[in-house]
Amino acid sequence: DQQVKQNSPSLSVQEGRISILNCDYTNSMFDYFLWYKKYPAEGPTFLISISSIKDKNEDGRFTVFLNKSAKHLSLHIVPSQPGDSAVYFCAATGSNYKLTFGKGTLLTVNP
Amino acid sequence: NAGVTQTPKFQVLKTGQSMTLQCAQDMNHNSMYWYRQDPGMGLRLIYYSASEGTTDKGEVPNGYNVSRLNKREFSLRLESAAPSQTSVYFCASSRPLDAIYFGEGSWLTVV
Repeated sequence: DQQVKQNSPSLSVQEGRISILNCDYTNSMFDYFLWYKKYPAEGPTFLISISSIKDKNEDGRFTVFLNKSAKHLSLHIVPSQPGDSAVYFCAATGSNYKLTFGKGTLLTVNP
Repeated sequence: NAGVTQTPKFQVLKTGQSMTLQCAQDMNHNSMYWYRQDPGMGLRLIYYSASEGTTDKGEVPNGYNVSRLNKREFSLRLESAAPSQTSVYFCASSRPLDAIYFGEGSWLTVV
């Protein structure tokens, strides 16, 4: 039973445009959500997070939106840059702070 | 500023051999984790340690043991390696209610 789902294995966008990565979750006990970015042959790096008490969090070009009623979150990258090309993982956790990850979305930003 | 350091980076084992993956963090984090990443499977939690002296099973603990040697170090042991344990292993650490930070990964092949 996959509790965190990233239904798009890959996404391709043009440089300068918006990238939107989506994530759905099923466990209503999740209350903290994170996005990680991973380059090949490297460990995942933390990108941005959001608590369930918020519906939006911004950090520079990155914005995460949370829709609790739909159990859906999204990561917006504006403007997208070629260096953003990587695998993006959505993760969620509850009070035990064990992160559950989605399977990832490969983002390719074309120059 | 080392962060999370794991060794070895690459290892080839024969089926039935044993080995230990070492992990150390210098961020004074209480919690430490071991994840494995397989193609199309995302990151799956093997074991975690919420604090020094405690360890708990994650999603895929079978075939592994762990030791939280002290606050800094958390090792993962494969007692009798199997081809199904061919994977990339990531150690991570965190403070409570904060993002977790990953090491660079250990590539393990069991032949």
